[in-house]
Amino acid sequence: AQSVAQPEDQVNVAEGNPLTVKCTYSVSGNPYLFWYVQYPNRGLQFLLKYITGDNLVKGSYGFEAEFNKSQTSFHLKKPSALVSDSALYFCAVRDDGGATNKLIFGTGTLLAVQP
Amino acid sequence: GAVVSQHPSRVICKSGTSVKIECRSLDFQATTMFWYRQFPKQSLMLMATSNEGSKATYEQGVEKDKFLINHASLTLSTLTVTSAHPEDSSFYICSAGPGQGLQPQHFGDGTRLSIL
Repeated sequence: AQSVAQPEDQVNVAEGNPLTVKCTYSVSGNPYLFWYVQYPNRGLQFLLKYITGDNLVKGSYGFEAEFNKSQTSFHLKKPSALVSDSALYFCAVRDDGGATNKLIFGTGTLLAVQP
Repeated sequence: GAVVSQHPSRVICKSGTSVKIECRSLDFQATTMFWYRQFPKQSLMLMATSNEGSKATYEQGVEKDKFLINHASLTLSTLTVTSAHPEDSSFYICSAGPGQGLQPQHFGDGTRLSIL
């Protein structure tokens, strides 16, 4: 069965510093991985996805993620954090066991960027 | 880009009331939509997969008679929480994606349901 793990409940970073939000995955077939961001009392917004190809995926708002097959990781990164990046971040993997594009989410990581 | 609209954004009602939440795909057709429930400071729990023109597929442990799902058209799915009780209070979110395959899901802004 597919699953993702986000080992950190919260990540604190100073504005202007690089940030990393960690995600590891477990899949039985090809990994189809996604990152979403959630602001308070809002739905989730799509940031980026890895399907195939380059291991470094670039997404919205300056975020990128690095797919590492040997470490089964898909960490989210940004070179310079903004206070407005403070939000809840979810890693997700597509459940490839079914016919629909159902997603399986990690537990989420709260990113707090201090000014 | 693809937009999903969810309504209402917030509901406060008395125990025993049934509440209907709508999820619409505004600029694409969705044969499948998903309904999630999110508790404070927790991840999204998939409740059910809404299938256009057929019965919804519920996840294990979700009461289908409690959470009625109707997907009567390619742009609208509804979730009705029947005879709601305080323990049903939560944040409910829907999602949909254009077509099949590996397109990302797009999410509504959620519905905060508070049962008094």
